[in-house]
Amino acid sequence: SQKIEQNSEALNIQEGKTATLTCNYTNYSPAYLQWYRQDPGRGPVFLLLIRENEKEKRKERLKVTFDTTLKQSLFHITASQPADSATYLCAIDITGGGNKLTFGTGTQLKVEL
Amino acid sequence: DVKVTQSSRYLVKRTGEKVFLECVQDMDHENMFWYRQDPGLGLRLIYFSYDVKMKEKGDIPEGYSVSREKKERFSLILESASTNQTSMYLCASSTRASGYEQYFGPGTRLTVT
Repeated sequence: SQKIEQNSEALNIQEGKTATLTCNYTNYSPAYLQWYRQDPGRGPVFLLLIRENEKEKRKERLKVTFDTTLKQSLFHITASQPADSATYLCAIDITGGGNKLTFGTGTQLKVEL
Repeated sequence: DVKVTQSSRYLVKRTGEKVFLECVQDMDHENMFWYRQDPGLGLRLIYFSYDVKMKEKGDIPEGYSVSREKKERFSLILESASTNQTSMYLCASSTRASGYEQYFGPGTRLTVT
């Protein structure tokens, strides 16, 4: 069955450093991969989408890479700030139809002063 | 901005009660989704709908049903609530026109006693 793995251990980093979160998947070749941010008690918020033919995508301090050979996506936050503290989820479309996502369990990021 | 609203933020029901969770989106999205989120298990898809009166089972549909009579509204029904349905319920919507990124509501924290 399709499996999406994110590091379940929380990631603690110092303010100003680059945070790198990993998303690995098996048994599928998704056309795209999405990243979301979730704050406690709230619904996830969409951040970035990267397609299979894109190796890298950037948005302000965020950068996502997508390696379809390794079946892995890396999510980077540069110059991290305490306000970046949240849980980050990756999601892929497993049907190929584009309208149904399967989510990883998320990695909690804590940025300390 | 897309807005997805859910009828309640917190809900407490007794075992055996019929429970209705309502979700409304205001951006004419064709796709709507119901998830539940539990610690360590992440977001799991219960049901989704890609058009009015159309529905498809997700990964964990047992004990739930849905209704979509109007495009903007998607209801989740717990026919006979049980304690193992205590969870955070999240509704989302998406459209092909914006690349299937999902917009989430604030969530309903349901407790079944």
